[in-house]
Amino acid sequence: EVQLLESGGGLVKPGGSLRLSCVASGFTFSSYSMNWVRQAPGKGLEWVSSISSSSNYIYYADPVKGRFTISRDNAKNSLYLHMNSLTAEDTAVYYCARASGRTVTTDFDYWGQGTLVTVSS
Amino acid sequence: DIQMTQSPSSLSASVGDRVTITCRASQNIAIYLNWYQHKPGKAPQLLMYAASSMQSGVPSRFSGSGSGTDFTLTISSLQPEDFATYYCQQSYSIPWTFGQGTKVEIK
Repeated sequence: EVQLLESGGGLVKPGGSLRLSCVASGFTFSSYSMNWVRQAPGKGLEWVSSISSSSNYIYYADPVKGRFTISRDNAKNSLYLHMNSLTAEDTAVYYCARASGRTVTTDFDYWGQGTLVTVSS
Repeated sequence: DIQMTQSPSSLSASVGDRVTITCRASQNIAIYLNWYQHKPGKAPQLLMYAASSMQSGVPSRFSGSGSGTDFTLTISSLQPEDFATYYCQQSYSIPWTFGQGTKVEIK
């Protein structure tokens, strides 16, 4: 059974930093691109960042570019999101999501339960 | 960036109703369109990919159609477990973008 388990969320002050982790199980982690998607309170889903299976290709949404860094450790079946210079607009539930690997589209076929990041003084 | 617009933003329906949700892209995205169901406190679930292909395990009452800029998600007979928020997502170009969501509520 595919499982994605996020951790690392919490309360952080504006300007602060946080590192999110996502541990994967039930599939060959090193074969899949992975993503972070967030949902601010009362808002919809927003794609944050993607990383290819061997970390060769990395992409970011404009609101987080230069502040967030996505990375992965295939030996540990783990995905990370390093978040710096956090603002209130970064307050959200952050989901780890697997890209299915289908050639016809980039869809996210498995998601974690999410971890809440709250940026507040 | 490609903008995705869903309509309606919310709807009230009864069990057994046929429900249709529309998603419009700001430019031609061919069939690079996916649909998700999201319930509060739960992980989002993929329903449809490539506009009309059903994800494994999804009930057959769900169907998707469309290409280019206009897409629909249809639930042929709404069930109690279908009350949720539904999102479309384009995968034509990065940044991947989602619609604002359609909340399906009990009438």
